[in-house]
Amino acid sequence: EPEVTQTPSHQVTQMGQEVILRCVPISNHLYFYWYRQILGQKVEFLVSFYNNEISEKSEIFDDQFSVERPDGSNFTLKIRSTKLEDSAMYFCASKPGPTDTQYFGPGTRLTVL
Amino acid sequence: KQEVTQIPAALSVPEGENLVLNCSFTDSAIYNLQWFRQDPGKGLTSLLLIQSSQREQTSGRLNASLDKSSGRSTLYIAASQPGDSATYLCAVRYRGSQGNLIFGKGTKLSVKP
Repeated sequence: EPEVTQTPSHQVTQMGQEVILRCVPISNHLYFYWYRQILGQKVEFLVSFYNNEISEKSEIFDDQFSVERPDGSNFTLKIRSTKLEDSAMYFCASKPGPTDTQYFGPGTRLTVL
Repeated sequence: KQEVTQIPAALSVPEGENLVLNCSFTDSAIYNLQWFRQDPGKGLTSLLLIQSSQREQTSGRLNASLDKSSGRSTLYIAASQPGDSATYLCAVRYRGSQGNLIFGKGTKLSVKP
């Protein structure tokens, strides 16, 4: 069965560094999302992406964040200058159509030191 | 503010027991509601999706109901097994959003052999 995949599974970085988290959504899906989950807290929406543009973003998704679908298969989340509070599990999700189930990847655990 | 609340936060039951997990949401103008399972340190596995026009959905030993007027959903697990031990998350897509999900904090279920 097709799955959403994410790399790396764990990323450790120094405060102020740039990180890129990568996702490969399921191949026929058209809607893409990033969420994050700080340890012990709720899963929080960051951004949704459709038709090669951001369709919605949360207050968390400030100028330090950006998303890109560079080649029709990958979907990336970039954090320009990481902060300690960016440490979290980041989940990518995708779905084929507007009313369908979202399928989540296994997550990337980001640790900012 | 659109929120999702889950009670109880944790639940421990003996194997074989039937159980109910509760989810409540603050705004009845929802598009759909989704139940997920999350194992420790892992991603989210979709269990059931209920559209706003539906009252319930069933998959195997799982049954989810939706009552929009009271702002509630329940997840019923029949004949629980130790393998059901996980955190169960409820997530709501509110009308007017582009598909982003608002999550509850989850119910951590432990089924003891």
